[in-house]
Amino acid sequence: DGGITQSPKYLFRKEGQNVTLSCEQNLNHDAMYWYRQDPGQGLRLIYYSQIVNDFQKGDIAEGYSVSREKKESFPLTVTSAQKNPTAFYLCASSPDLRRHETNYGYTFGSGTRLTVV
Amino acid sequence: AQSVAQPEDQVNVAEGNPLTVKCTYSVSGNPYLFWYVQYPNRGLQFLLKYITGDNLVKGSYGFEAEFNKSQTSFHLKKPSALVSDSALYFCAVRDSQLSSGSARQLTFGSGTQLTVLP
Repeated sequence: DGGITQSPKYLFRKEGQNVTLSCEQNLNHDAMYWYRQDPGQGLRLIYYSQIVNDFQKGDIAEGYSVSREKKESFPLTVTSAQKNPTAFYLCASSPDLRRHETNYGYTFGSGTRLTVV
Repeated sequence: AQSVAQPEDQVNVAEGNPLTVKCTYSVSGNPYLFWYVQYPNRGLQFLLKYITGDNLVKGSYGFEAEFNKSQTSFHLKKPSALVSDSALYFCAVRDSQLSSGSARQLTFGSGTQLTVLP
């Protein structure tokens, strides 16, 4: 079955450490997205990528970095510059919305809960 | 620009009663509208979408939503709520006009926590 996989499900980070969250999809989607969700809050866009080797900052990109070397993969690194990284992180993918498939929604992964210890 | 509003942070309803979760939107062109549900510590799951055609859209788990163009609304409904429907619900919109950069993405509402009381 096609889908989008995030790993790990739970991640603990020490102060000053960089950590990388994995997101892999086998849906042949061109676009991928990273969101942050805080308790009781909505979704805030961190980064998105519409094509391999290209990505754009979202609303809260500071302290985060991404890469898009393969169509299937869009890892997110939470750097030590992110002062409050404890949150639930969601990855999503969709067809390339610059074409005509605008009636598609997003497919979401199951999320990674990051906690600073 | 496109935007979506969910005016209620929390909705409580008794099991067996009908439920409504409200959503209003703003777009330049025609809207593509979506509802997602999120259970604790899980990703968002697609419930239903409106693209065109019949204003009443039926989706998963007995949910339906009514598109009202004059009121720019897309409220989620279910005739008889279950305790297992308790979750966080998100409305999302995309503008049909591809020329807008923001139309390349979904814009999500802030979410509504639905609690169904036994």
